[in-house]
Amino acid sequence: GDSVTQTEGLVTLTEGLPVMLNCTYQTAYSTFLFWYVQHLNEAPKLLLKSSTDNKRTEHQGFHATLHKSSSSFHLQKSSAQLSDSALYYCALSGNNYAQGLTFGLGTRVSVFP
Amino acid sequence: DMKVTQMPRYLIKRMGENVLLECGQDMSHETMYWYRQDPGLGLQLIYISYDVDSNSEGDIPKGYRVSRKKREHFSLILDSAKTNQTSVYFCASRLGGDAEQFFGPGTRLTVL
Repeated sequence: GDSVTQTEGLVTLTEGLPVMLNCTYQTAYSTFLFWYVQHLNEAPKLLLKSSTDNKRTEHQGFHATLHKSSSSFHLQKSSAQLSDSALYYCALSGNNYAQGLTFGLGTRVSVFP
Repeated sequence: DMKVTQMPRYLIKRMGENVLLECGQDMSHETMYWYRQDPGLGLQLIYISYDVDSNSEGDIPKGYRVSRKKREHFSLILDSAKTNQTSVYFCASRLGGDAEQFFGPGTRLTVL
């Protein structure tokens, strides 16, 4: 079946430094990859999505590029802000969109002054 | 303004009591989902509803059932709640033809 791997459980960094969160996946089908962000006591919200190989997707200062050859969709930002402190999920939608998303375990990002 | 709502936001129950979690959406989305979120386990899919009275088990359906009698409402029911069902429950909905899901604010359930 489908699976998503996020290798970092917790990332702590100083404001202004770059951040990269890793996401790799396994699926037998062409698909959508997502990054969702969840701030404390809030709903997960869509940050980025892509289904196009080798195309950079950007939103709110974050960017990610889907690389089907390496099954990766890493999230990056050049300069972290305090407000970026949150839980980040990478997720996969399989060939049948009606099926639920497959989520990674999540990466908690804590940005300090 | 597209919205998924959940009621109640917080709930404390005793083991063995019945629990009803409600979800609503105002986007006429056909497909709705229930997930639970536990520390270190991410979001796990409990049930899917493709439309009224058309439901399917997700990855962890044991101990749960669902009801969808109107397109805009999707309920999660715990008959005789267990302590290991203490969790945060999220409802989500999806527009047909798109892969993106919209999430509600969650219900934090504590079973004592």
